[in-house]
Amino acid sequence: AQSVTQLGSHVSVSEGALVLLRCNYSSSVPPYLFWYVQYPNQGLQLLLKYTSAATLVKGINGFEAEFKKSETSFHLTKPSAHMSDAAEYFCAVSDRNTGNQFYFGTGTSLTVIP
Amino acid sequence: DTGVSQNPRHKITKRGQNVTFRCDPISEHNRLYWYRQTLGQGPEFLTYFQNEAQLEKSRLLSDRFSAERPKGSFSTLEIQRTEQGDSAMYLCASSSYRNTEAFFGQGTRLTVV
Repeated sequence: AQSVTQLGSHVSVSEGALVLLRCNYSSSVPPYLFWYVQYPNQGLQLLLKYTSAATLVKGINGFEAEFKKSETSFHLTKPSAHMSDAAEYFCAVSDRNTGNQFYFGTGTSLTVIP
Repeated sequence: DTGVSQNPRHKITKRGQNVTFRCDPISEHNRLYWYRQTLGQGPEFLTYFQNEAQLEKSRLLSDRFSAERPKGSFSTLEIQRTEQGDSAMYLCASSSYRNTEAFFGQGTRLTVV
């Protein structure tokens, strides 16, 4: 079974500071991994995905994430936070063999302080 | 590509009433998913279709919930005899083939009073 753990339900950073959102997964084989962003009363928008190519994945809006098999992690980073980055972020995993569903973490709410 | 469309966006219903939501996936996508999201939580899997076949259904899903995708295109999610605990955001997503990302709709927010 797949599962995802997001450490830190709330993260606050100053505008211009580094953003680091943590995600660890549990899986018997390396899964496919995703980061989604959700703005209030909206659906989820894909930021980036890891499917098996380069372990450092670049996404939209300046975000990137690195897949580390030894640490079973897929942390999301952005060098410089912008006010518009304030949102809820979800890490998700799917089984590369079945792919029948996506398992989501409980989310991290990012606040950007001006 | 108009994206995944969900209707209605908001629904307020009295406890005990039945409600039905509709999802129109991206046209070439054969996989469709329903998720439920409550405040402060991540999306929780409800069910999954490949074309018209419902291939997986969460064991947590009450018998009051039923979903269909009759022609392999749009899908409906019906909740019978709604309860206050059903209040949530219901999200639909679609994908083109297994293991690619899912594209989500804007969701339907259900409030049961």
